[in-house]
Amino acid sequence: GDSVTQMEGPVTLSEEAFLTINCTYTATGYPSLFWYVQYPGEGLQLLLKATKADDKGSNKGFEATYRKETTSFHLEKGSVQVSDSAVYFCALNTGNQFYFGTGTSLTVIP
Amino acid sequence: DAGITQSPRYKITETGRQVTLMCHQTWSHSYMFWYRQDLGHGLRLIYYSAAADITDKGEVPDGYVVSRSKTENFPLTLESATRSQTSVYFCASSESNIDNSPLHFGNGTRLTVT
Repeated sequence: GDSVTQMEGPVTLSEEAFLTINCTYTATGYPSLFWYVQYPGEGLQLLLKATKADDKGSNKGFEATYRKETTSFHLEKGSVQVSDSAVYFCALNTGNQFYFGTGTSLTVIP
Repeated sequence: DAGITQSPRYKITETGRQVTLMCHQTWSHSYMFWYRQDLGHGLRLIYYSAAADITDKGEVPDGYVVSRSKTENFPLTLESATRSQTSVYFCASSESNIDNSPLHFGNGTRLTVT
């Protein structure tokens, strides 16, 4: 069945470090892919999305590229800030249902 | 304000009691969803609704009941709460069911069953 696997956390980085959070997926069709971010005490917010192969989603300095050949959608940011501390969820949508990864907690220290 | 509102934010109830979690959205989105979030499980779909008076089960529906008499409201009822239903519950909405339509989440209800 359809599923998403993302790297285990927690991840701790120093401010201005480079961030990669790995996400791979399994899907029978051609899903759209999403990254959501959850700040403490809040719901999930859409961070970025990509709807077809080779699309790059970007927002707030974060980027992810839809790689069909490796079934991946890794999240990257060149220079993280303390305010980026949150839990990040990779997700896919085939049109029938959303499937979420288990989330990766990121803490950025000054 | 436009958006999706859940109430209450926090709820403590006893085993066996009935409890209803409320969800209201102002976008007139057709689709609405209830998820629960638990450590180690991520988000799991409880129920969803494609329109008023149309609901369907998700991955973990047992012990829950939903209704959708109006497009903007989608309450979730725990008929007889159990400790295993202690969780954070999120309501979400979506404009359509095409695959590139994102989910929009409320801020959640943290439910504790004692």
